[in-house]
Amino acid sequence: QKEVEQDPGPLSVPEGAIVSLNCTYSNSAFQYFMWYRQYSRKGPELLMYTYSSGNKEDGRFTAQVDKSSKYISLFIRDSQPSDSATYLCAMYSGGSNYKLTFGKGTLLTVNP
Amino acid sequence: GAVVSQHPSRVICKSGTSVKIECRSLDFQATTMFWYRQFPKQSLMLMATSNEGSKATYEQGVEKDKFLINHASLTLSTLTVTSAHPEDSSFYICSASRDRGEQYFGPGTRLTVT
Repeated sequence: QKEVEQDPGPLSVPEGAIVSLNCTYSNSAFQYFMWYRQYSRKGPELLMYTYSSGNKEDGRFTAQVDKSSKYISLFIRDSQPSDSATYLCAMYSGGSNYKLTFGKGTLLTVNP
Repeated sequence: GAVVSQHPSRVICKSGTSVKIECRSLDFQATTMFWYRQFPKQSLMLMATSNEGSKATYEQGVEKDKFLINHASLTLSTLTVTSAHPEDSSFYICSASRDRGEQYFGPGTRLTVT
């Protein structure tokens, strides 16, 4: 079993839809969770950074963490064509070891 | 804040030559910097982790003598691909980490070895 599982998609939605992206993980030591957005031929951009279980909102983005189920989600409201990208979840255990474990990424296309 | 730059963004070199890629954190001091490699439609593959003033820690299977990493200051790390070959052609991305551990990525460097 891989440490982090993420459905690669592709996921195609109409503009304005609510998008739900998910990752599951097996290592209970993971304490910090991130979502990155990566456009084609660009470096990943940090969207959300969370530690606690629960929800964290930033504009149209909501990150959700359920440590008991080892499940994290990213919701995008009112999706726009500019949201079309690959979304990567990432996590690490903390302390002095900042090495991230990534999901494989989900390719999202928002159609106008 | 938290901007990371990379230079060059694209480089083409001949087989057997060496190429240096710079990674800079522009508005923060990075306790740790990372170098990744990414193949088309695949996720990021960590190559090495470096802290300022100390030797880099390489991931299993990454050749230390081929991929030289120098972390000269809290804002600058360099990756040198020595004696490059066509199989080294890839997208190389660096990231920098502050105290909290989240990583901020550079825009990437596309290396093509002919």
